[in-house]
Amino acid sequence: SAVISQKPSRDICQRGTSLTIQCQVDSQVTMMFWYRQQPGQSLTLIATANQGSEATYESGFVIDKFPISRPNLTFSTLTVSNMSPEDSSIYLCSVDGTSGPSDTQYFGPGTRLTVL
Amino acid sequence: GQQLNQSPQSMFIQEGEDVSMNCTSSSIFNTWLWYKQDPGEGPVLLIALYKAGELTSNGRLTAQFGITRKDSFLNISASIPSDVGIYFCAGQLGGGTSYGKLTFGQGTILTVHP
Repeated sequence: SAVISQKPSRDICQRGTSLTIQCQVDSQVTMMFWYRQQPGQSLTLIATANQGSEATYESGFVIDKFPISRPNLTFSTLTVSNMSPEDSSIYLCSVDGTSGPSDTQYFGPGTRLTVL
Repeated sequence: GQQLNQSPQSMFIQEGEDVSMNCTSSSIFNTWLWYKQDPGEGPVLLIALYKAGELTSNGRLTAQFGITRKDSFLNISASIPSDVGIYFCAGQLGGGTSYGKLTFGQGTILTVHP
């Protein structure tokens, strides 16, 4: 499986500011995904990030709030914009495994964000 | 959208006991995945199931893809303290615009008493 790292691992931010989270993979992958895990909750998909095209956002998530970049096959960023305390969550990136129509996903360690 | 109902929400067991948890869905999935998440970590993939009726083992873990494609279970035999954590099921439709999108269950919190 791919080795995935995220930066920062955690941060405490002030309301109204923005934070960019980086996700780095040790091998080229086709698809990268960003998830949010609110305190004590399950994981919810924010968007799918493919290299060379705009990210595809799930219902309830918009590009202005969560802009995503995917400049190459090993890297992606998620920005949480104009933050409020409700954005306090763990943000996780994941990547698809080997090629195939029904594949596995591997997750990074997550970024724990607290907004004051 | 799809909803996954995972049960039980939490379990408190003694070391050495067997554990069983399951997920049911109102929709069909083509892939079922089981993850474990430790505090402060990302989910780690335990078992992947790709075919209806498939039964797969990984050490003390056994999982099955329900024949209706709407459910899956995970069993842990002879639990040990390091089994403590949150277990998530996830379903994937696969194909088309749904490719790669995982829907997660609510999680099962497992506590193992030595």
